[in-house]
Amino acid sequence: DIQMTQSPASLSASLEEIVTITCQASQDIGNYLSWYQQKPGKSPQLLIHSATSLADGVPSRFSGSRSGTQYSLKINRLQVEDTGIYYCLQHYSAPWTFGGGTKLELK
Amino acid sequence: QVSLKESGPGILQPFQTLSLTCSFSGFSLGTSNMGVGWIRQTSGKGLEYLATIWWDDDKYFNPSLNSRLTVSKDTSNNQAFLKITSVDTADTGTYYCTRANWDWYFDFWGPGTMVTVSS
Repeated sequence: DIQMTQSPASLSASLEEIVTITCQASQDIGNYLSWYQQKPGKSPQLLIHSATSLADGVPSRFSGSRSGTQYSLKINRLQVEDTGIYYCLQHYSAPWTFGGGTKLELK
Repeated sequence: QVSLKESGPGILQPFQTLSLTCSFSGFSLGTSNMGVGWIRQTSGKGLEYLATIWWDDDKYFNPSLNSRLTVSKDTSNNQAFLKITSVDTADTGTYYCTRANWDWYFDFWGPGTMVTVSS
């Protein structure tokens, strides 16, 4: 199975701050990487697909990037509604595997 | 618009079979490159991929549960099904069905259904 190592596990940031979350894949997965946001008591919601493409309706302050087998989710100008848990998912090779999650809180 | 909703027993006992139904709208499993994926969230393993069933009846399973999983679909009624045999307490968690699209990621999720395995 492909391992997705996500960091940090938790993060506290201030309003308007820039936040970056990373996922390291254990092998090449191309651009088959998506990012999800989960609010308490809710299902995960798609933010980014194909490593860098913003999902419909997602604010433009979210962006995704790739450098080799490292993938990053960046949030520009953090807002209150951005708190939650963020997950990456590789969908290059079955079984699809998720990162362990990053809990983002406001400082 | 696309929506999905899971339904299940809520509580079941060890060694029983878990049967879940995903009822969806806004897309069809009769359309090329569409699929329904099943994912669960447990306290022990976080988000865990279980299985996907595709429009052409192709199926992918997580090998860690492969022998216990069955997926099927009813294209006419826009439903997909997941069965897990011989459950134990480690299967306790929230189960989600999702739409798997042409690029194999999950773009829409149901609200989830909680499943508790307890004697």
